[in-house]
Amino acid sequence: AQSVSQHNHHVILSEAASLELGCNYSYGGTVNLFWYVQYPGQHLQLLLKYFSGDPLVKGIKGFEAEFIKSKFSFNLRKPSVQWSDTAEYFCAVNGDGGSQGNLIFGKGTKLSVKP
Amino acid sequence: GAGVSQSPSNKVTEKGKDVELRCDPISGHTALYWYRQSLGQGLEFLIYFQGNSAPDKSGLPSDRFSAERTGGSVSTLTIQRTQQEDSAVYLCASSLNRQRVFGPGTRLTVL
Repeated sequence: AQSVSQHNHHVILSEAASLELGCNYSYGGTVNLFWYVQYPGQHLQLLLKYFSGDPLVKGIKGFEAEFIKSKFSFNLRKPSVQWSDTAEYFCAVNGDGGSQGNLIFGKGTKLSVKP
Repeated sequence: GAGVSQSPSNKVTEKGKDVELRCDPISGHTALYWYRQSLGQGLEFLIYFQGNSAPDKSGLPSDRFSAERTGGSVSTLTIQRTQQEDSAVYLCASSLNRQRVFGPGTRLTVL
């Protein structure tokens, strides 16, 4: 069965610090990978996605993620965080062999950025 | 509308009562999904509708949960005989391709 692990439950950073949130998945086949963000009081929004091609994916607001197939990882990065990046971040995977509906989410990482 | 809408935004009910949660997807989106977001548990897939195909119900946690989608548009998630462990935020999403757009959710509290 597919699963997604986000290793950090809560990350606290100061503004301008660099960010890397870990995400590992377990699925042996072709995968589609996503990072979603949920700002306080707002909807879940897509940050970036990987379907195929260049494993370094750039998303909105300066975020990027790198798909490393050999490590089953899709870590999220940002060189310099801002206070407005305070939110909860969810990694998700959808294996091509599974139901298109069954997007498996990690448990989320809460990011708090201190001004 | 421009986004996915859900109603009610909040629902408080007593244990044992039935509840209905509504989702209005983005017009033209053929796929509709229901998820449950519990505190500290991330998002749990419940059910998926794609066009006129039979729904994928593999995520429904018990037979107290059911969902339907009328006319390929609006969907209703029904929870019968609610239990306290059903308390969560229920999220709906729709998509035309593989990119889901999420609604604001319905926060369900079972007393």
